[in-house]
Amino acid sequence: DAKTTQPPSMDCAEGRAANLPCNHSTISGNEYVYWYRQIHSQGPQYIIHGLKNNETNEMASLIITEDRKSSTLILPHATLRDTAVYYCIVRVPISNFGNEKLTFGTGTRLTIIP
Amino acid sequence: DGGITQSPKYLFRKEGQNVTLSCEQNLNHDAMYWYRQDPGQGLRLIYYSQIVNDFQKGDIAEGYSVSREKKESFPLTVTSAQKNPTAFYLCASRITGGSGANVLTFGAGSRLTVL
Repeated sequence: DAKTTQPPSMDCAEGRAANLPCNHSTISGNEYVYWYRQIHSQGPQYIIHGLKNNETNEMASLIITEDRKSSTLILPHATLRDTAVYYCIVRVPISNFGNEKLTFGTGTRLTIIP
Repeated sequence: DGGITQSPKYLFRKEGQNVTLSCEQNLNHDAMYWYRQDPGQGLRLIYYSQIVNDFQKGDIAEGYSVSREKKESFPLTVTSAQKNPTAFYLCASRITGGSGANVLTFGAGSRLTVL
């Protein structure tokens, strides 16, 4: 799996867009970018994933650069409930013949400021 | 609603005692996982199971055991051989196939404290 680099912490004002960066310069052509978040003392929650096109769902938008070496998760109108640790993961889809180890690093601790 | 149920949410154990953490899912997912999380750390994989009656060790399996007798259930036993068992334990499951196969659904976690 490609290694990812995320800032350890970020602050964002409530109501503003939160932009969380992730560097994955060693990403290979068949690896997807996945984002999860973990609110304190809860299990991680899937947010969004993509391969090379920008993606949007009800929770967030994912912008992947053309060279795929970095991506940005955008929470368009951050609320206090978005305070959490955000994990960026890059890997090929898990198969039934191995490569099961989906690795979660230490992520970015996002704090939404009232 | 479909999901993963972990129990108990909080558990206290004396040193030398085995304890079993329950994980049940009604999502009809084939694969299930156990992760351990220590304060300020990421998640580390303990065991995983891709199908009933089969499971594999993850990165930190020593001192733990699992079983997978039913598709919906994947209990984790923390044995007395686990030297530092105090941690937050997370169970997860996933669908099979496609890019969505990396989308894990997690339970709410079980916090184990050894006294």
